[in-house]
Amino acid sequence: QKEVEQDPGPLSVPEGAIVSLNCTYSNSAFQYFMWYRQYSRKGPELLMYTYSSGNKEDGRFTAQVDKSSKYISLFIRDSQPSDSATYLCSGGQGAQKLVFGQGTRLTINP
Amino acid sequence: ETGVTQSPTHLIKTRGQQVTLRCSSQSGHNTVSWYQQALGQGPQFIFQYYREEENGRGNFPPRFSGLQFPNYSSELNVNALELDDSALYLCASSPKTGGSNSPLHFGNGTRLTVT
Repeated sequence: QKEVEQDPGPLSVPEGAIVSLNCTYSNSAFQYFMWYRQYSRKGPELLMYTYSSGNKEDGRFTAQVDKSSKYISLFIRDSQPSDSATYLCSGGQGAQKLVFGQGTRLTINP
Repeated sequence: ETGVTQSPTHLIKTRGQQVTLRCSSQSGHNTVSWYQQALGQGPQFIFQYYREEENGRGNFPPRFSGLQFPNYSSELNVNALELDDSALYLCASSPKTGGSNSPLHFGNGTRLTVT
């Protein structure tokens, strides 16, 4: 079993839809949870940074962490074609030695 | 502010050869981490360098080694290349402030193909 499990998709939704991306993890010691966005032929870019359980909102993006169920979520509101990318969830005891999920490939159709 | 830069962008090597990949960290960043991303997979932690010393290592064999220089730039060396080493190698740096809680800032990677 992988430490971080993520449905690889692909996921295709119409522009304007609400997107929900989810991951589960198995290591109870994880305290830091990050979502990275990766465009084709580019490196991952940090999207959301969360410490421990709770919600964090940044514009159209909301990250949720439920440590009791070991569940990580990312919600994208009013999705745009420019949001089309691979989304990587990750967790770690620190913010730098991260364990990543497989990535979910998301396409937003105009 | 210059971000993380990696060179070369692409590289083709033959099985058994050795390769060196290079990374310049973002200005003000003193910690460098290396990740391997196989096609269709998430990045996997190789190792981290802080103050020119290895500061943690993932599940990679000793033929994966690295260096960090006084200017915080870094190299990843892979000896005795195997076909499974074909991947995107990502370098990420982290700022001095915040310590181990500072997030990673990735470069665009070096695409290594082993034939």
